[in-house]
Parts: sequence; structure tokens; C-alpha cells
Amino acid sequence: KAGVTQTPRYLIKTRGQQVTLSCSPISGHRSVSWYQQTPGQGLQFLFEYFSETQRNKGNFPGRFSGRQFSNSRSEMNVSTLELGDSALYLCASSPLAGVQAKNIQYFGAGTRLSVL
Amino acid sequence: LAKTTQPISMDSYEGQEVNITCSHNNIATNDYITWYQQFPSQGPRFIIQGYKTKVTNEVASLFIPADRKSSTLSLPRVSLSDTAVYYCLVGVLIYNQGGKLIFGQGTELSVKP
Repeated sequence: KAGVTQTPRYLIKTRGQQVTLSCSPISGHRSVSWYQQTPGQGLQFLFEYFSETQRNKGNFPGRFSGRQFSNSRSEMNVSTLELGDSALYLCASSPLAGVQAKNIQYFGAGTRLSVL
Repeated sequence: LAKTTQPISMDSYEGQEVNITCSHNNIATNDYITWYQQFPSQGPRFIIQGYKTKVTNEVASLFIPADRKSSTLSLPRVSLSDTAVYYCLVGVLIYNQGGKLIFGQGTELSVKP
């Protein structure tokens, strides 16, 4: 079974631009979560989607948005990029909803975004 | 989700057993204890999960005392490839709260030859 796939792996953008990151979850997984990882703040939760609906959102500004498609694939968008948005963006998928999920998520390799 | 405390870093040598302890004094009755491993520039990887007593898989063992206020991840006979950051998470994914994992600082394990 293929793992979580994130594209692209690397991105270089300039301040003010916008960017879209893509995530394909493991086949059959309906929950997709996004995280931002930086050396200073560590791993921080962005948002989570299940059946095309955003169920949970972290403490990030509205410039960060996402969506999920009917095939469970997800995209994350960051508008008006700032230097501080440089980070590793990770996508994770989970097979089950509710208590059965029990904190087990499967992560992709991430997209390394550099904002110049 | 309960707050967790674990050492920031640990050093070990190849072939040794490594034990990383995580404190979670405010663990709730329904909470599970989950450990992830992360290599540089990769996403975290699920290692092991437990609720009480001891759990063992092909990678590690997880020891949980009766009061569940702490847990210990045990890595037998580590190798250089076990050098990574290890995260302890406590909680449970509840449907209406969604899939929100809270990662602490983690423990940076360095295995030397």
C-alpha cells in the first residue's frame, strides 16, 4: 500500500506570493491533517479534514486554508507569504474516525517551503 | 490532551538499551499513550501505543505503571539508525474534536558508534 504522498517536496517562493501544497492520503484513509514544523516552534497542528469537512483548526491566521476533495486528497493554501512561513509542512492521514483512531496518524515526507 | 514532559536530549552507544521516560500527570481515563519517531526532513513515524501495563512490538516496548502518570519507551540494542527525535503523545482522537495531535519538544536521541 502506498504511503502518504506530498507534492512538491521543495518550494521556493517570495514574500507576498501564494502557494498550494498537495497531499494524497493512504488509500482508504478519510482523515487528513496538516502540520507546520519549524526549528523554533516545533510541530504545530494546522487543520484536519474528514469527508471534505474541516473538523478542527489550529491557531494560525486566515492566510492558511485548506480543503479536501471527495477522493480524500487534500490541498493546503497559504496566501500572502511571509518570511516566517518558511517551514516543513507535513500531511498526515488516519484510517478511522472517532475513538478508534487512537492518535495513530501516518505522515508524509513533507513539503519544504522557503520564503525569500 | 494531556501535557507531556520528556528529556530534551539523550546520548547512547550502539548495542545499548535506551529508555526514554515521559511524564503525563494529567492523563485522563480514556487517554492512550503514543510514541512517534522522526528523522531529519521526514514526517513522524508511529512506533508504539499503549493504554496500561506493557506493550511490545518488533521495534520497541512501552512500559506503563499502574497510575499511568508516566510511561517509558524502551529501544533494545540501538543502532546508529535509531538517531532521531522521539515524541510522546497522550490523548485520544474524539470524533467531534478531530485529528489533532499535540507534539511536545520531543527527545533528541543521539546514538554513537
